Amino acid sequence: EPEVTQTPSHQVTQMGQEVILRCVPISNHLYFYWYRQILGQKVEFLVSFYNNEISEKSEIFDDQFSVERPDGSNFTLKIRSTKLEDSAMYFCASSDGGTGANVLTFGAGSRLTVL
Amino acid sequence: QQQVKQSPQSLIVQKGGISIINCAYENTAFDYFPWYQQFPGKGPALLIAIRPDVSEKKEGRFTISFNKSAKQFSLHIMDSQPGDSATYFCAASGLNTGGFKTIFGAGTRLFVKA
Repeated sequence: EPEVTQTPSHQVTQMGQEVILRCVPISNHLYFYWYRQILGQKVEFLVSFYNNEISEKSEIFDDQFSVERPDGSNFTLKIRSTKLEDSAMYFCASSDGGTGANVLTFGAGSRLTVL
Repeated sequence: QQQVKQSPQSLIVQKGGISIINCAYENTAFDYFPWYQQFPGKGPALLIAIRPDVSEKKEGRFTISFNKSAKQFSLHIMDSQPGDSATYFCAASGLNTGGFKTIFGAGTRLFVKA
């Protein structure tokens, strides 16, 4: 079964450092997303990406965050200068077009720990 | 307007019992209501979903009941099993500004006692 793959599975970084989280969405999917989940809490929407541009972003997704699809397969989330409160599980998801556009397939997540 | 409210926060059910989780939404533009199941250390996985043109959808032991006028929907797990112990998230989505934004409820931790 096709899956969304994310790397790294766990990253530890110092406050103020830049972090890039990587995702390989399902190959024929058209919509790409990042969500985050602070330990034990709800899954929060960060950003959606379609047709090589951001289609929607949440209040959490401020100027410190950026996304990119540098080639035909990868989808990345960059945090420019990490803060302690950025510590969370970050999930990438993708979805098909048409009636499948809101059926999300999630990756296993990247745990980010900011010290 | 964008919130999805979920209850209870946690639920303990005996094996073989029925687990019921409830959700409510406000935004009438939502047109897709999925339930996701999440095991520790894993990403959420789609369990079952419903669109507002039907009032109920059943897949095996899992049933969604949908009340459009009340803007509520619920997940029923029949014959609950210990393997069902997980966190369950209701969610809602609809076409916004060219993309789909899925809003999640706060989650319900289900524990099924053997």
